[in-house]
Amino acid sequence: DGGITQSPKYLFRKEGQNVTLSCEQNLNHDAMYWYRQDPGQGLRLIYYSQIVNDFQKGDIAEGYSVSREKKESFPLTVTSAQKNPTAFYLCASSPQGARNQPQHFGDGTRLSIL
Amino acid sequence: GENVEQHPSTLSVQEGDSAVIKCTYSDSASNYFPWYKQELGKRPQLIIDIRSNVGEKKDQRIAVTLNKTAKHFSLHITETQPEDSAVYFCAAHNPNEKLTFGTGTRLTIIP
Repeated sequence: DGGITQSPKYLFRKEGQNVTLSCEQNLNHDAMYWYRQDPGQGLRLIYYSQIVNDFQKGDIAEGYSVSREKKESFPLTVTSAQKNPTAFYLCASSPQGARNQPQHFGDGTRLSIL
Repeated sequence: GENVEQHPSTLSVQEGDSAVIKCTYSDSASNYFPWYKQELGKRPQLIIDIRSNVGEKKDQRIAVTLNKTAKHFSLHITETQPEDSAVYFCAAHNPNEKLTFGTGTRLTIIP
């Protein structure tokens, strides 16, 4: 959807470095999500936020951090504690805390280790 | 928490034939079931969804059926075309929790 913008499209991380992936939406959605997708795998939830200034851990939160200071923005930081960060990262949003509402995805960020 | 299983993991179908992908879920409280299509390197896109008060929903060549008693739902694609080739994900949503995705089905349409 044009309403969710992820940047950058490709990102490289050096050893011991933290990197931040951007996700911005102009859909006026309350809820936002970060997923990790490995080759040939499904989507695994890292973090999600149903309202500004609040977020919850998903299934694989270790080594990641997020913030939700604005409704439109939900950046994801991949910390040096995440030992295997190479993956395709997808941000999504949905209205009204995703209560029976579809999630809309961004185009993703592909993260690799240098 | 919810557990969603999806089968098959790969599926090859002759162009013009039908394709069926099946999912089961574990939480009887789940009441919303979307299906996403993801082309290589691109974002997942919603193609159809169904809510638990409905047993079947159809949109042109795509249909989804839901059996709440058995806790399974299926995606049916008829008259398949080469552009249907992609990875398809099912998902289940419990109103009190997050959306849980299946592991995906790689569908290949053979011309």
